[in-house]
Amino acid sequence: GQQVMQIPQYQHVQEGEDFTTYCNSSTTLSNIQWYKQRPGGHPVFLIQLVKSGEVKKQKRLTFQFGEAKKNSSLHITATQTTDVGTYFCAGRPYNNNDMRFGAGTRLTVKP
Amino acid sequence: DGGITQSPKYLFRKEGQNVTLSCEQNLNHDAMYWYRQDPGQGLRLIYYSQIVNDFQKGDIAEGYSVSREKKESFPLTVTSAQKNPTAFYLCASSIEPAALDGSNQPQHFGDGTRLSIL
Repeated sequence: GQQVMQIPQYQHVQEGEDFTTYCNSSTTLSNIQWYKQRPGGHPVFLIQLVKSGEVKKQKRLTFQFGEAKKNSSLHITATQTTDVGTYFCAGRPYNNNDMRFGAGTRLTVKP
Repeated sequence: DGGITQSPKYLFRKEGQNVTLSCEQNLNHDAMYWYRQDPGQGLRLIYYSQIVNDFQKGDIAEGYSVSREKKESFPLTVTSAQKNPTAFYLCASSIEPAALDGSNQPQHFGDGTRLSIL
């Protein structure tokens, strides 16, 4: 079954507000990847985190990997309408070869 | 341009029929994947293949079958045994499934096929 939990399921923000989605795993992960799926589109790879406690930034997006490698977060500062979409995390448990996707957080931004 | 092509975009199936979804990639990727996407459940892995003529079941393989006769192609058959086939199906590929440093190659997705029951 699903080993990677992601919250919240939905988030609606006013343009300019911040947004955070959280990903939690029941098992230790080798890595975690983040994807964005625009409405009507397909998931597109954003970034991968591998090291314990790793933090990476892409412009207004900040990605963190927990010290225990069981959780991760994606934070968007000052959202824009172009940020609209569903954000998925995907992690690979140490005892598996395949990536396990979270259920995704659907972000809507009101102009 | 390199990419993954899924066809058709929309597909309708009658009760009791098998139907095959096409997935072709020209990225020279070794690994290919099939996911099912339902509202609120994210992406669930159906089957994946790391090399030609080899594939493994994912979490929800029951009622589905695949083949990997060519590196470029990974068709998915939704059989009549799949009781709830209505969903959005996504095919993906990556250079290789996993690396020794703990990382995974990014997956590249097709545009998907939406399957509905008539």
